[in-house]
Amino acid sequence: NAGVTQTPKFQVLKTGQSMTLQCAQDMNHEYMSWYRQDPGMGLRLIHYSVGAGITDQGEVPNGYNVSRSTTEDFPLRLLSAAPSQTSVYFCASSYSGGEKLFFGSGTQLSVL
Amino acid sequence: GENVEQHPSTLSVQEGDSAVIKCTYSDSASNYFPWYKQELGKRPQLIIDIRSNVGEKKDQRIAVTLNKTAKHFSLHITETQPEDSAVYFCAASVGGGSQGNLIFGKGTKLSVKP
Repeated sequence: NAGVTQTPKFQVLKTGQSMTLQCAQDMNHEYMSWYRQDPGMGLRLIHYSVGAGITDQGEVPNGYNVSRSTTEDFPLRLLSAAPSQTSVYFCASSYSGGEKLFFGSGTQLSVL
Repeated sequence: GENVEQHPSTLSVQEGDSAVIKCTYSDSASNYFPWYKQELGKRPQLIIDIRSNVGEKKDQRIAVTLNKTAKHFSLHITETQPEDSAVYFCAASVGGGSQGNLIFGKGTKLSVKP
């Protein structure tokens, strides 16, 4: 099993550009989520999904969209990047809610 | 909103000493409390977790204790080793049930000096 796979590992954007961060898992997990990690701020939940076709907002959803068309994939879209979105983004999945989350390797995003 | 406070933010110990990290939570319905370890440049990884119906759980050199009345839980690492150096995050489920999302503390940077 590859676990949770995130791409890309690094990305630099200009303000106003859009992009999609990819996340895929091969563990047949129903729950998938996106976190951002900023220095001194811990991990903050952006969006989550409890199954295909179901998504909901977390603590810091503004500026991000998600969709869950399959069990395996949970992409995160930045519609118009802003410098405040400079962060490290982690995708995580589990069988049930926040229990025993498996994290991807992260995407370091810089918005200039 | 719901909140998890974590202390201290940095902790330095000598190899072989014990380390204790403490967290408090605000949601009375929280029933799941995991701890994650994140080495520099790596992903967070679960090291131990505890449910609200258990007061203490041990796994080799690490243990977690939970005081539901006081709404706080702690991570204890005994006989620390240099490879224990990392950032540790506590978290608490919100909303109860098995589908609860996690709220994370802001992390503790543990340094173990040889």
